[in-house]
Amino acid sequence: QSVLTQPPSASGTPGQRVTISCSGSSSNIGSNAVKWFQQLPGTAPKLLIYSNNLRPSGVPDRFSGSKSGTSASLAISGLQSEDEADYYCAAWDGSLNAWVFGGGTKLTVL
Amino acid sequence: EVQLVESGGGLVQPGGSLRLSCAASGFTFSSYWMHWVRQAPGKGLEWVANIKQDGSERNYVDSVKGRFTISRDNAKNSLYLQMNSLKAEDTAVYFCARSMDIWGQGTLVTVSS
Repeated sequence: QSVLTQPPSASGTPGQRVTISCSGSSSNIGSNAVKWFQQLPGTAPKLLIYSNNLRPSGVPDRFSGSKSGTSASLAISGLQSEDEADYYCAAWDGSLNAWVFGGGTKLTVL
Repeated sequence: EVQLVESGGGLVQPGGSLRLSCAASGFTFSSYWMHWVRQAPGKGLEWVANIKQDGSERNYVDSVKGRFTISRDNAKNSLYLQMNSLKAEDTAVYFCARSMDIWGQGTLVTVSS
């Protein structure tokens, strides 16, 4: 049982916009910044979003993040086949004194 | 090029020990928090531990407290994870990460008799 809650799966067709949610609590998302990671099969995670809504250089602007209260979302617009991957949210939890991850969302491009 | 390379994984019996290393290059190692994150086969990511730039602060996930020790050697640009009293549930790919923005490729630890 992960501290942050994500839907286990999501899907969309090429060109579509999809969103992935991440629900937490006041001790993690509610009071700290959220990161989002993309993990392609057999590879290390890659940072997609940091500080809730900022993209590292090299990450396409098709990827965007937002946060409201104790929840965060990752949106992917103009879906492409290469976006098929697992996506994870993460945040520092001040009560646990630990970083916590969501369980991951497997995105399928139909 | 910013790079993190883990080593030290392998097969170990339950109750045994293993020391993982992570060699950093391409950035000022001493300026960053460093992390270990693991991923059990077919499962999601689990944060394991982190350490402050000068080693003065360390944090651990509850499941490894008292068994694992994170450390660093800024002179050698290296991060370590000493794992003792290993259990089957510690079986995973272990990644080191710089402030969780740059990740290594991971090293597999298998705990089995």
